[in-house]
Amino acid sequence: ETGVTQSPTHLIKTRGQQVTLRCSSQSGHNTVSWYQQALGQGPQFIFQYYREEENGRGNFPPRFSGLQFPNYSSELNVNALELDDSALYLCASSSDLTGANTGELFFGEGSRLTVL
Amino acid sequence: DQQVKQNSPSLSVQEGRISILNCDYTNSMFDYFLWYKKYPAEGPTFLISISSIKDKNEDGRFTVFLNKSAKHLSLHIVPSQPGDSAVYFCAATSWGKFQFGAGTQVVVTP
Repeated sequence: ETGVTQSPTHLIKTRGQQVTLRCSSQSGHNTVSWYQQALGQGPQFIFQYYREEENGRGNFPPRFSGLQFPNYSSELNVNALELDDSALYLCASSSDLTGANTGELFFGEGSRLTVL
Repeated sequence: DQQVKQNSPSLSVQEGRISILNCDYTNSMFDYFLWYKKYPAEGPTFLISISSIKDKNEDGRFTVFLNKSAKHLSLHIVPSQPGDSAVYFCAATSWGKFQFGAGTQVVVTP
């Protein structure tokens, strides 16, 4: 059973650019959530996808968007990057909505984004 | 709007003693509360959770207590072991949306 994998692990972008982060969910998991963790803070909920549909969103602007594919892998896209977007971006998967609601999330190691 | 707060950024405890981590929340609609543990360069891993209808949940060395009237939960680790040294995040969820605290760095000393 493979765990949650994210790519790339590190990347550097400049203000105004666009970035795509990728996540492969754990085998058998159909729900994926994305989180932003700034330095010294806890993860902040961006949005959740269940069976390819967005199912809940946190307080993030529309330039944060996502996709979930038929194999349940997912992408996070951020347009018009700002300096404050520098953070660790975590992907988490779970086996169904019940799992996602009760906390049985399995996290990847994250993608560290630096915006210069 | 910080709905989940961990007011202690760090905690140092001697091996074999009890570690007590605290967490406060403001939203009475949360229905599950949980603790995650994070080692450097790894993603958070689920540790233990508790439903809002319970006041205690135990799993081996880990016990979570929930005081709904005070909007407070705590995690007890007994006995503390060197491998428990990590950052611990308190989290709460309502309808699948999770709120995390800022984390408490625990250091277990010999």
